[in-house]
Amino acid sequence: DADVTQTPRNRITKTGKRIMLECSQTKGHDRMYWYRQDPGLGLRLIYYSFDVKDINKGEISDGYSVSRQAQAKFSLSLESAIPNQTALYFCATRPGANTDTQYFGPGTRLTVL
Amino acid sequence: GEDVEQSLFLSVREGDSSVINCTYTDSSSTYLYWYKQEPGAGLQLLTYIFSNMDMKQDQRLTVLLNKKDKHLSLRIADTQTGDSAIYFCAEKAGANNLFFGTGTRLTVIP
Repeated sequence: DADVTQTPRNRITKTGKRIMLECSQTKGHDRMYWYRQDPGLGLRLIYYSFDVKDINKGEISDGYSVSRQAQAKFSLSLESAIPNQTALYFCATRPGANTDTQYFGPGTRLTVL
Repeated sequence: GEDVEQSLFLSVREGDSSVINCTYTDSSSTYLYWYKQEPGAGLQLLTYIFSNMDMKQDQRLTVLLNKKDKHLSLRIADTQTGDSAIYFCAEKAGANNLFFGTGTRLTVIP
């Protein structure tokens, strides 16, 4: 079974729609991250969370919001999707402060028309 | 801020060695990482090197670090078709996060 799962895996939506991407983990890690991947730009950090009460903005948080509903769940929302948010979105987890290693989910491909 | 640069593409023939290069800007990085992304999948940690090391070898993988030039490389010996993927270098960004490079797409030609 996958340790970090993302739903949906693919989504096509229209400009102006609200979209939520879900991430769940069974690794018991406190730290969770949302990234987007664009060709030629690598991964860019959107938001991260160190526990249920902790939410931090990353490099490109504008247009996004997150919710850490439980230790195991971290969701990313686009309140009003726009075409330049078309990208591959990855969730990742990290055990804690003693290691920088991150464990990635399989990704969600989002297309905004 | 941090800036991590990589070439976007690399093609090699099966059996040859591949060398993927990365330059970074944060001289205080304590760890530098290589992640591999196979088609349709998330990133997986491949290997890492601590900043006080010059070289680390792990089976077919050799990581070289030149701190003076802020240059990191990943050498894959005897490259196989299964090595075709996107390879990301990453440096530790501040206390808490990783900063990823643009990724290098390695294509292995049979």
